[in-house]
Amino acid sequence: GQQVMQIPQYQHVQEGEDFTTYCNSSTTLSNIQWYKQRPGGHPVFLIQLVKSGEVKKQKRLTFQFGEAKKNSSLHITATQTTDVGTYFCAGLLGSGYSTLTFGKGTMLLVSP
Amino acid sequence: SAVISQKPSRDICQRGTSLTIQCQVDSQVTMMFWYRQQPGQSLTLIATANQGSEATYESGFVIDKFPISRPNLTFSTLTVSNMSPEDSSIYLCSVTVLGEQFFGPGTRLTVL
Repeated sequence: GQQVMQIPQYQHVQEGEDFTTYCNSSTTLSNIQWYKQRPGGHPVFLIQLVKSGEVKKQKRLTFQFGEAKKNSSLHITATQTTDVGTYFCAGLLGSGYSTLTFGKGTMLLVSP
Repeated sequence: SAVISQKPSRDICQRGTSLTIQCQVDSQVTMMFWYRQQPGQSLTLIATANQGSEATYESGFVIDKFPISRPNLTFSTLTVSNMSPEDSSIYLCSVTVLGEQFFGPGTRLTVL
């Protein structure tokens, strides 16, 4: 079936290092959204990307949507311990779909 | 934005019993979504609940097992019926407001 793949599954970094998680879809996406889930918490919306090649920034976070609208990435510059959590991408699989398909998430651990 | 509350926040149940989870939103929304998140896993959509019509279930989920009610535009319930240990999971209610998806705090269910 149609899937949204996300890698890596897990990453452990030292505070100050950069971090990137990648999301790939087997089909073209109408849009892609990113969520952060802290341990024991619920997913919190970070951003939505809609346009081909779109790049958005939120402080140390940079989000990209591929030209073909089949892949996306989230990059965190100079990680902090507050960045700990699981980052999920979720895609809307083309027009006619009203529900999101979530990737498996990337768990980020940041050591001080 | 949307503020979502869920009841109960957690429960421990015996196999064979049923549990009804309530979801309340602070604004009127057309669609409400029910997700399941098994430990350490991603979010899987169970069904979409529209007010005034039957819920739409995703592949692998059936109404007899997960009956849903949607009596008005701010409230929905999900029942997990005839529970087994495999139903142990976090159940999350979600709504979309202006393209942004908001999640409730979740109901952590453990089935013994």
